[in-house]
Amino acid sequence: AQSVTQLGSHVSVSEGALVLLRCNYSSSVPPYLFWYVQYPNQGLQLLLKYTSAATLVKGINGFEAEFKKSETSFHLTKPSAHMSDAAEYFCAVSDRFGNEKLTFGTGTRLTIIP
Amino acid sequence: EAGVTQFPSHSVIEKGQTVTLRCDPISGHDNLYWYRRVMGKEIKFLLHFVKESKQDESGMPNNRFLAERTGGTYSTLKVQPAELEDSGVYFCASSQKMGGNGELFFGEGSRLTVL
Repeated sequence: AQSVTQLGSHVSVSEGALVLLRCNYSSSVPPYLFWYVQYPNQGLQLLLKYTSAATLVKGINGFEAEFKKSETSFHLTKPSAHMSDAAEYFCAVSDRFGNEKLTFGTGTRLTIIP
Repeated sequence: EAGVTQFPSHSVIEKGQTVTLRCDPISGHDNLYWYRRVMGKEIKFLLHFVKESKQDESGMPNNRFLAERTGGTYSTLKVQPAELEDSGVYFCASSQKMGGNGELFFGEGSRLTVL
């Protein structure tokens, strides 16, 4: 069975500051990992994905995430927060490439302080 | 191109009533998924259609839930009779084909409130 833990249901950062959203996973097989974002009044949108190629994955809107097997982590970062980054972020895992039956974390709501 | 659309966006019903949620996937997408998020918890998989066939319905909570996908186009999810614990946001997602890049396209969700 797979699981995802997102530490911090709410995170606040100042505009221009570093964004760090934490995700730890548990999987009995090599995982495929995703970050999705939900902006207000919109559906979830894929930010980035790890599929066993490069461990540092770059996504849209300046976000990136690093897969660390030894730490079972896939934290999401952005060097400088923008007001438009305010949204809810979801980390998810699947057990094989192309499998879209995802196991999600509980989500982290990011607030940007002007 | 239109995205995944869901209707209604919000439904308020009383316990024991019936509700039907509808999802129109992106045109040409064979795969259609239903997920649910109960308040404050994780988004959980309900079921997966490939065209009109149910590929995996292991996440369906019980037999009060019935999903259909007529002709491999739109899908409906019926809850009958609704219970309080069915409240939550029901997401529909679609993708072009299995073995693809794993990217799902989600609708905005249908919020169900059971009183």
